[in-house]
Amino acid sequence: ETGVTQSPTHLIKTRGQQVTLRCSSQSGHNTVSWYQQALGQGPQFIFQYYREEENGRGNFPPRFSGLQFPNYSSELNVNALELDDSALYLCASSSPLAGGADTQYFGPGTRLTVL
Amino acid sequence: SQQGEEDPQALSIQEGENATMNCSYKTSINNLQWYRQNSGRGLVHLILIRSNEREKHSGRLRVTLDTSKKSSSLLITASRAADTASYFCATVSYGGSQGNLIFGKGTKLSVKP
Repeated sequence: ETGVTQSPTHLIKTRGQQVTLRCSSQSGHNTVSWYQQALGQGPQFIFQYYREEENGRGNFPPRFSGLQFPNYSSELNVNALELDDSALYLCASSSPLAGGADTQYFGPGTRLTVL
Repeated sequence: SQQGEEDPQALSIQEGENATMNCSYKTSINNLQWYRQNSGRGLVHLILIRSNEREKHSGRLRVTLDTSKKSSSLLITASRAADTASYFCATVSYGGSQGNLIFGKGTKLSVKP
């Protein structure tokens, strides 16, 4: 088990609604990355936050947004939910000083279902 | 979009046998990593191999990297039922100050007792 936690574990929303997912990074890690994993697929990079600034973004529309707080925890917000947003959302933390910036430690994920 | 393709998509073996999974990728990389995922939960980092390395070992895991063929393989020796999981390769290509992971679709490994 890593020290990365995510909440909630499961969430059911309807189309058009907005959702906020939360992630607490492992102690000492200053970088948080978010991934979306559709059923049967590999995770897809959404964006990364480093010291409260967005530090890279994947091919996701602007309705996917995020925040990182001074304690390095992070939120992923998705507006105007679509059916295709149903997926497992994974948060990962890393640090140049702990295993290297490339080694990412994943949380258990939030399963989002959009009806 | 996915960077890598794992092969095979699914693999079923008996406990004690070796399991080999392959990964191919498309662009130049800084390093390649393998992760394990149990039943749709979080991913666990297994091993990282840098682009200037050819082989790496960690316990029962052996990873090879061939940058000329843009491919990697993961060998799990003496498999156990607890190794049943999905295995993903992920590459890192630097486009900014830090890299992000680009995953393949994974190999689903089933180890029967």
